Amino acid sequence: DTEVTQTPKHLVMGMTNKKSLKCEQHMGHRAMYWYKQKAKKPPELMFVYSYEKLSINESVPSRFSPECPNSSLLNLHLHALQPEDSALYLCASSHPGKNTEAFFGQGTRLTVV
Amino acid sequence: GIQVEQSPPDLILQEGANSTLRCNFSDSVNNLQWFHQNPWGQLINLFYIPSGTKQNGRLSATTVATERYSLLYISSSQTTDSGVYFCAVLPGYNFNKFYFGSGTKLNVKP
Repeated sequence: DTEVTQTPKHLVMGMTNKKSLKCEQHMGHRAMYWYKQKAKKPPELMFVYSYEKLSINESVPSRFSPECPNSSLLNLHLHALQPEDSALYLCASSHPGKNTEAFFGQGTRLTVV
Repeated sequence: GIQVEQSPPDLILQEGANSTLRCNFSDSVNNLQWFHQNPWGQLINLFYIPSGTKQNGRLSATTVATERYSLLYISSSQTTDSGVYFCAVLPGYNFNKFYFGSGTKLNVKP
């Protein structure tokens, strides 16, 4: 099983809403990632968790709050987003370390209105 | 950080044609992957290829790590091959951060 599952697939939220994106994997991976992708651009790294600890935060605004409750789950809590935050949000997982293959979920397409 | 450049940025093919996509990177890498992003946004793993040559059906890939480039070959292209192809690398100095190239957008016409 090389599947990373993200929910929901689509999300429309207002600027005052609070919502969460979820990501789950059962490959035994201990590194999990959030990426943001705008149209016609490559994915941009937001956060990396390694062994359930936040190891990289790419200077992401605090309105995005990641959480890794256990080794299989990764959440991204959203609050007071702006329309420019509308994008495809991708979750990925891999084994930590240098010889590792990453697998991506199908993404959550977020629209902020 | 490491620079990853892909070429060409756009490619239009007739069905049945062959193509070669290139990925250049500016520093040594521990990992290189090729992905196909379908129209729904999912990144599909094509190859994990830090060095050497691999083949999977009509697709093959070669990475020459010492010369810092990788090639993705698509033979007998089909309309379902359309989409964006990304290469992503894991540099030798950072085991947790994958760097993506800007992608090659492929359009295969029937």
